[in-house]
Amino acid sequence: GQQVMQIPQYQHVQEGEDFTTYCNSSTTLSNIQWYKQRPGGHPVFLIQLVKSGEVKKQKRLTFQFGEAKKNSSLHITATQTTDVGTYFCAGDFGNEKLTFGTGTRLTIIP
Amino acid sequence: DVKVTQSSRYLVKRTGEKVFLECVQDMDHENMFWYRQDPGLGLRLIYFSYDVKMKEKGDIPEGYSVSREKKERFSLILESASTNQTSMYLCATAGTGYSGELFFGEGSRLTVL
Repeated sequence: GQQVMQIPQYQHVQEGEDFTTYCNSSTTLSNIQWYKQRPGGHPVFLIQLVKSGEVKKQKRLTFQFGEAKKNSSLHITATQTTDVGTYFCAGDFGNEKLTFGTGTRLTIIP
Repeated sequence: DVKVTQSSRYLVKRTGEKVFLECVQDMDHENMFWYRQDPGLGLRLIYFSYDVKMKEKGDIPEGYSVSREKKERFSLILESASTNQTSMYLCATAGTGYSGELFFGEGSRLTVL
């Protein structure tokens, strides 16, 4: 079946360090979304990328969609304790449903 | 703000019991979804619905059924609960098509003994 692979599964960083999570698909995506889930919470939408090569920024977060629309990344600059949580990508293969990655759990060492 | 309310945050059921998980949304969204979340597996789609009385199978529909009799309410049914259905169940809605922004409920953690 169509899958979205996400790495790493876990990431521990010192506060102030950067963080990146990656998603890859073997087939072209129509679009990709990113969600954040705080510990004990539910996923919350962050952004949607649609265009090939698209780059979007939200304060310290930078989202990229690959030229071939098969991969995407989320980069956080200078992490803060409020960034703790699990980050999910969710890809649309054009088959009427989103396919979620397995998530990257980010922990921050103060 | 969109509000997606799931009827129970925590449930404990016995093997073989029938389980109902209810989800109600207040934003008049057409599309509603049921996911289950398990460690290391992410979110997997069980069923979704894009209209009243309409339902579509997701990636893991086996052992589940759904009901959508009213636009605002989407129910997940486990006809005969099994231990491998112990999980976090998340309801979500989307107003702009099946691949629009998803709004999630708080989740229902089901334990089947």
